[in-house]
Amino acid sequence: KAGVTQTPRYLIKTRGQQVTLSCSPISGHRSVSWYQQTPGQGLQFLFEYFSETQRNKGNFPGRFSGRQFSNSRSEMNVSTLELGDSALYLCASSLTSPEVEKLFFGSGTQLSVL
Amino acid sequence: GQQLNQSPQSMFIQEGEDVSMNCTSSSIFNTWLWYKQDPGEGPVLLIALYKAGELTSNGRLTAQFGITRKDSFLNISASIPSDVGIYFCAGQGINNAGNMLTFGGGTRLMVKP
Repeated sequence: KAGVTQTPRYLIKTRGQQVTLSCSPISGHRSVSWYQQTPGQGLQFLFEYFSETQRNKGNFPGRFSGRQFSNSRSEMNVSTLELGDSALYLCASSLTSPEVEKLFFGSGTQLSVL
Repeated sequence: GQQLNQSPQSMFIQEGEDVSMNCTSSSIFNTWLWYKQDPGEGPVLLIALYKAGELTSNGRLTAQFGITRKDSFLNISASIPSDVGIYFCAGQGINNAGNMLTFGGGTRLMVKP
């Protein structure tokens, strides 16, 4: 059974650009959550999607957005990139929600903003 | 917002030694989780705790859900080199819906063979 797949693995952008990250959950999983990991702030919750609807949102500016498709794949978008957006973006999926004890994380997308 | 204070930030120990790390919060949590993250990978769940006072083991790992519901600890016995990594506590607060988790800052464990 394939795990959570995140693409691309690495990304380099410049300030002001926008970026889209992709997450394919484990087959059958309907919940997808996104987290930002930085050395300074640690792991912080961005948002969760369940059955194509945003269920929760963390304390991030509106430049961070996401969506989920009918096949449960999810994308997150960051517009007008800032240097501080450089981070590892992790996606996690679970069969249903809430089901925190059965969250499976992908390996992440490392975003560098220059 | 909710915060989890995890300590120590890092540990450098000899192989075979026992390790202890803990997390505290000013807020109550319904669920405590402990994860391990290896370089270049996402966190992997080690232990999940659901009730105050609960003590759970997973091999050489033991974790407890504090009675006040505001803290948790993780012990690793007889450490081995493959225990190297970053350990995170995470909690689901009483006001957190869905799969929203609050994470501690992590404990970086280094093991000397």
